Amino acid sequence: DAGVIQSPRHEVTEMGQEVTLRCKPISGHDYLFWYRQTMMRGLELLIYFNNNVPIDDSGMPEDRFSAKMPNASFSTLKIQPSEPRDSAVYFCASSLLSSGGRETQYFGPGTRLLVL
Amino acid sequence: KNEVEQSPQNLTAQEGEFITINCSYSVGISALHWLQQHPGGGIVSLFMLSSGKKKHGRLIATINIQEKHSSLHITASHPRDSAVYICAVSKGKDDKIIFGKGTRLHILP
Repeated sequence: DAGVIQSPRHEVTEMGQEVTLRCKPISGHDYLFWYRQTMMRGLELLIYFNNNVPIDDSGMPEDRFSAKMPNASFSTLKIQPSEPRDSAVYFCASSLLSSGGRETQYFGPGTRLLVL
Repeated sequence: KNEVEQSPQNLTAQEGEFITINCSYSVGISALHWLQQHPGGGIVSLFMLSSGKKKHGRLIATINIQEKHSSLHITASHPRDSAVYICAVSKGKDDKIIFGKGTRLHILP
């Protein structure tokens, strides 16, 4: 398997623009997680899905952020409108079986976002 | 106070030294994870444990549930072990994951 795939790997955009980050989990995994990493706050869980259904989105910072998982092999994280403080590395991870918290998570390479 | 605390924040050691990184947490957990983040940014899951000890190559992870403490040990450290090591816990029944701030390890040749 190719592992968790994220695109784009790097994104530079201007404040106010819409940003869409994409993730393809490992085939067969039923949990998908979106994380954000910044120097100040470290890694933070934004949202996670189980069988394509959002389970916990309490980590999503505000209404400008939204995530979808239309099918088992694809998820998006959208920021609209983007702001400079959204600059971070966004990781997607997937895991298998009963609960993502109890099983090893496999991380994608991350998307490095810079909002000017 | 952070729910997951790691120490030290930074550690520099000579090649061959035995390394210990500590993680303390203050919440009920269902599992504890150790992650390694390489200088290039990629994250690899090293261990997931809920009791006892696990070993993989030169890496050993232990957890003491009563004391709410885990350690990650590296034997015969090597410059390629230089990375940020992150402790994370899955909180109780909702399995929300909380991360420590990480320990930056630098092994000198």
